[in-house]
Amino acid sequence: DAGVIQSPRHEVTEMGQEVTLRCKPISGHDYLFWYRQTMMRGLELLIYFNNNVPIDDSGMPEDRFSAKMPNASFSTLKIQPSEPRDSAVYFCASSLSASNQPQHFGDGTRLSIL
Amino acid sequence: AQSVSQHNHHVILSEAASLELGCNYSYGGTVNLFWYVQYPGQHLQLLLKYFSGDPLVKGIKGFEAEFIKSKFSFNLRKPSVQWSDTAEYFCAVKEGGSYIPTFGRGTSLIVHP
Repeated sequence: DAGVIQSPRHEVTEMGQEVTLRCKPISGHDYLFWYRQTMMRGLELLIYFNNNVPIDDSGMPEDRFSAKMPNASFSTLKIQPSEPRDSAVYFCASSLSASNQPQHFGDGTRLSIL
Repeated sequence: AQSVSQHNHHVILSEAASLELGCNYSYGGTVNLFWYVQYPGQHLQLLLKYFSGDPLVKGIKGFEAEFIKSKFSFNLRKPSVQWSDTAEYFCAVKEGGSYIPTFGRGTSLIVHP
């Protein structure tokens, strides 16, 4: 089992640039989640998908953030334009559709916006 | 809405000390409960989970947790911590039938050698 795979692991870019984070969930998992983690706000759920369909994006902070899941094995989180306050670690997680099953997290993308 | 409280934000212990981290949730029905650990610079990984049966659950690395339904609690324990237990610990709760967990804010544990 390869686990949840995220890329890139680190991203440093200047404000105003477009940032795209990528995630490959565990095969067979039908839920995919995007989280943001900061010291100030802890772990925040941004959006989640079920069977590639966005179900709840109420955690997405602004219209600058968007997420897609074109197929069961790939999702992106895009920030355009990026701002310094977007600096954080972004985690992708996937799970099976069962309430007693845990989430499996990727290694995260550490994003720094200068 | 479901809420999860982790009362201790920061805990500092010496090696061999005993650990108990609190977790309380607000939902009154059936729940599925999880503890995750995040080692420095790493991702969250599952420590243990409870969904039915014996309320005392044993996880990896000597951790255990006890589900007390009457107290809406799922506290994490370890009788003797090690320096390598230094990490952030997250409690998460899923309401019965829900696939979406609610996470607590996390507890930062520092263990001095």
